[in-house]
Amino acid sequence: DARVTQTPRDKVTEMGQEVTMRCQPILGHNTVFWYRQTMMQGLELLAYFRNRAPLDDSGMPKDRFSAEMPDATLATLKIQPSEPRDSAVYFCASAPGTGYTEAFFGQGTRLTVV
Amino acid sequence: SQQGEEDPQALSIQEGENATMNCSYKTSINNLQWYRQNSGRGLVHLILIRSNEREKHSGRLRVTLDTSKKSSSLLITASRAADTASYFCATDDHGFNAGGTSYGKLTFGQGTILTVHP
Repeated sequence: DARVTQTPRDKVTEMGQEVTMRCQPILGHNTVFWYRQTMMQGLELLAYFRNRAPLDDSGMPKDRFSAEMPDATLATLKIQPSEPRDSAVYFCASAPGTGYTEAFFGQGTRLTVV
Repeated sequence: SQQGEEDPQALSIQEGENATMNCSYKTSINNLQWYRQNSGRGLVHLILIRSNEREKHSGRLRVTLDTSKKSSSLLITASRAADTASYFCATDDHGFNAGGTSYGKLTFGQGTILTVHP
């Protein structure tokens, strides 16, 4: 049963600490999205990749956030230093091919920065 | 930034009734997708409608698209308590191939919270 896997599921950290969230896309999917979900802002697109290259990261605060795909099976989203306003659920999604009809979401990482 | 805005923000109905959710968007799109999210879970794709289509059906779901008004609606017929969830529209607005499938960047609306009472 192919699925997008995100780790950790929950993370509580202190302000100023580095946070790394990981995502394993579905094997063979070459498009990967990172979203942030909050009650106030809804689902915000932070960045997305195709064939491991970033296509658009305009939704991501560049001073503290970074997203990478070290290889085709791993996408990472880092926050350094973390702040309380970063508390949210972060979702990774992947999609197949150069054209696709649906994106497949992971279960999310719930981040709490205290 | 949000591409889509959904209406209503929350909808409460009785089992057996129909539920209609609306989505408006701002830019030209290749296709529009609807997703469902159960509390505490990831989003699950429901249905896609291409920009050259006006209506599409899948089981109890009916989606319409009006590109002149930049709007879409999702109708769930004969609702069930298990349909209780948040529903989001998502627009793909970055290029497409000859078959009409997406290269795209998926941007989501704010969502409609649907509660179906048994």
